[in-house]
Amino acid sequence: EPEVTQTPSHQVTQMGQEVILRCVPISNHLYFYWYRQILGQKVEFLVSFYNNEISEKSEIFDDQFSVERPDGSNFTLKIRSTKLEDSAMYFCASGQGYNEQFFGPGTRLTVL
Amino acid sequence: AQTVTQSQPEMSVQEAETVTLSCTYDTSESDYYLFWYKQPPSRQMILVIRQEAYKQQNATENRFSVNFQKAAKSFSLKISDSQLGDAAMYFCAYRSNAGNMLTFGGGTRLMVKP
Repeated sequence: EPEVTQTPSHQVTQMGQEVILRCVPISNHLYFYWYRQILGQKVEFLVSFYNNEISEKSEIFDDQFSVERPDGSNFTLKIRSTKLEDSAMYFCASGQGYNEQFFGPGTRLTVL
Repeated sequence: AQTVTQSQPEMSVQEAETVTLSCTYDTSESDYYLFWYKQPPSRQMILVIRQEAYKQQNATENRFSVNFQKAAKSFSLKISDSQLGDAAMYFCAYRSNAGNMLTFGGGTRLMVKP
């Protein structure tokens, strides 16, 4: 069964550095999402992406963040100038339509 | 903004018994979707069941069923004949018909006792 994959599983970075989190959505899906979960808190929506542009974003998704689909298979989340509070689990998801989102296993980001 | 509340941080159930997980939400919309996701220790969330708000009939998927009370804004998940593999975090989620973002509750950790 096809799955969403994410790399790396764990990323450690220094405060102020840039990180790129990578996701490979399920191949025939058209909608792509990023969520994050700070330890002990709720899963929060960051952004959705459709037809090569952002379709919806939350207040969290400010200028520090950007997303890209650089080729036909990858979907990336870039965090510029990371802060301590960016430490979280980042989940990628994809879907064919609105009715279901398939989640990846997540990337744990630790900012030191 | 919509909010989703899961009032039970932890629940436990004996294997083969039935357990109900609670979820309430707040919205001013009339058309929306509700979901239950399961997150096993491996941390990949899996969709368990989905309910469209315009449908009066409660959704059912094998041992999983929901009790959807639209007026009360309540969406509970019932797991029948609980199995050890049901042990996980369960998240309730809301999606507006006007968008595609999911709003999650805080989760309920379900433990299944052999």
